[in-house]
Amino acid sequence: SQKIEQNSEALNIQEGKTATLTCNYTNYSPAYLQWYRQDPGRGPVFLLLIRENEKEKRKERLKVTFDTTLKQSLFHITASQPADSATYLCALGSGGSYIPTFGRGTSLIVHP
Amino acid sequence: NAGVTQTPKFQVLKTGQSMTLQCAQDMNHNSMYWYRQDPGMGLRLIYYSASEGTTDKGEVPNGYNVSRLNKREFSLRLESAAPSQTSVYFCASRGTSGAPTDTQYFGPGTRLTVL
Repeated sequence: SQKIEQNSEALNIQEGKTATLTCNYTNYSPAYLQWYRQDPGRGPVFLLLIRENEKEKRKERLKVTFDTTLKQSLFHITASQPADSATYLCALGSGGSYIPTFGRGTSLIVHP
Repeated sequence: NAGVTQTPKFQVLKTGQSMTLQCAQDMNHNSMYWYRQDPGMGLRLIYYSASEGTTDKGEVPNGYNVSRLNKREFSLRLESAAPSQTSVYFCASRGTSGAPTDTQYFGPGTRLTVL
């Protein structure tokens, strides 16, 4: 069955460092991958989308990579700030699918 | 624009009671979704509506019913609530271009406890 894995352990980093979050998948050939941010008590908010034929996408301090051979996406936040502390979800979708499948999310804690 | 709104924000029910969770979007989106989020389980799709007049089951539909009242509104009904339905419920809508890569916009959630 399809499986999406995100590290269940929180990632703790110091302010100013680069945070790297991982999304691995198995038994899946996604056409696109999305990253969302979720703050406590709120709904997820879309951050970035990357398609299967793209290797890297950037938006301000955010960078996403997509390696379909390794079946992995990496999500980077450079020059991290305490305000970046949140849970980050990855979501995968197939070419004809209007329904992405979500990972469980990884909590990021940026310490001042 | 308010985006996606949900009511109520919090609800406590007793086992066997019924209730309807309301969702509305003002972005003229065709598709709408209901998810539940439980600790350690991530977001799981309950039902979705690809367009007005259509609804389909998601991953965990048992114990729920939905109504796509019009293009703006999509409600989720629990006919006989059970403790296993204690969760946070999110409604979402999706962009109108028709491409699968259109992103989803989520509401603030409804926190439901069934005693």
